[in-house]
Order: sequence, then C-alpha cells, then structure tokens
Amino acid sequence: SQQGEEDPQALSIQEGENATMNCSYKTSINNLQWYRQNSGRGLVHLILIRSNEREKHSGRLRVTLDTSKKSSSLLITASRAADTASYFCATLDLGAGGTSYGKLTFGQGTILTVHP
Amino acid sequence: GAVVSQHPSWVICKSGTSVKIECRSLDFQATTMFWYRQFPKQSLMLMATSNEGSKATYEQGVEKDKFLINHASLTLSTLTVTSAHPEDSSFYICSARPPGQGVYEQYFGPGTRLTVT
Repeated sequence: SQQGEEDPQALSIQEGENATMNCSYKTSINNLQWYRQNSGRGLVHLILIRSNEREKHSGRLRVTLDTSKKSSSLLITASRAADTASYFCATLDLGAGGTSYGKLTFGQGTILTVHP
Repeated sequence: GAVVSQHPSWVICKSGTSVKIECRSLDFQATTMFWYRQFPKQSLMLMATSNEGSKATYEQGVEKDKFLINHASLTLSTLTVTSAHPEDSSFYICSARPPGQGVYEQYFGPGTRLTVT
C-alpha cells in the first residue's frame, strides 16, 4: 500500500510566521486530504483537494497539489499558538474498489509548534 | 456537523483480558466505519474497515481473531481486543464516512487510549 511521506517531521516557528508542510505519495489518487491532530486527540478534517485541482484555500490554509510530482503542500499563514498540533496528509486510493474504497492512507505527519 | 464519539476515552486492563471499544456516529448513519491504531509519535495505521451487516475487512498483518469488529447498526461499530497484551497498548481511533456519492471525508472519533499492564 502507498505511504505518504511528510516533511519536515517537526517544525518550530514564532507566532505570525507562515508554516509550510509537504507531503509526497506514491500511487494515483482520487483526492488528498489534510488533517490536524491535537496531542492525544482525534483528527479534525482541514481541507480536501481533488486530483484535478491544483490549489485550494480555506481561511488561513492554502493547499497545493502537483500530481505530476505526486506531492502536496499545506501552508498555514499568520500562525497562532493554537495552531500547535500534528498535521497529516492522507490520500484516498479508490483503486479497483472493494476493500480500498474509502480507505485513507496517512503520511507520517509534521509536528508543528508555534511559539507565542 | 458530523460527530463521532468513542467510548471509553481511556482504559487500563490486565494482560490476558478483553476490552471493547465503541464507536458511534451521533448525527448520521454510517454504513462504513474504519478502525485505526496509532503508536506514540507515529501516524495512523488502518486496521480494518467495518461494514454494517457484513464481515469486517482487515488490513494485512492485523489478526482478525484478536481484533474482533462488529458493526451491528448504522451508528455503532465495536472493536474488541481479545487476550490483550502490553504490545497492544496504543491509541485506537475510529472514523465514519457519511453515505452518499462523492463523500470522501471521514469524521474521526476522539480516540481511546488503551494501556495493557
């Protein structure tokens, strides 16, 4: 199964700065999603970008997708201390259907720390 | 919005005992739910896909006899860790996908921290 790779593994910035996280994947996808996880908690869906889209915005979030390079990036602008969390990309591989339908494969994640 | 709950939020059990974790979709029906396991500072790994009214589909390397999944209704899936061992200690997270064509987002529960002593 494919495995997303994310970099950096950890990112430490000051409040107000921008944070950029990258994700690469290996197989063809239907869409790519970004999730956020606060320490010891469940995941919160942030944004979904479809394979035929190149860029998407949601508030302070900007996601890009380059299917030719099989990579995506998440940009958080004007970061806040409350943005401190782990961020994961996840790809939806529809494949041939069956057991792969709806199955998400997560990247290793980036731990973001925003210092006040 | 779509809310998924898990119960319990944390549990400590002795080695050799069984533990049941519940996953509920509170405001939507979910024909498909997913169970993930997450070790400290690691990513989520899909364990199995739970389908209402049929057998769960397990990922490679996941023992189906050890991790029993029952999706008895459209709003409830349970994961039972049988004969738990310390290496089963982990954070277990479920997710549910609302029905409908083109609905790709999954909504995650808050997770259950299992500690086996």
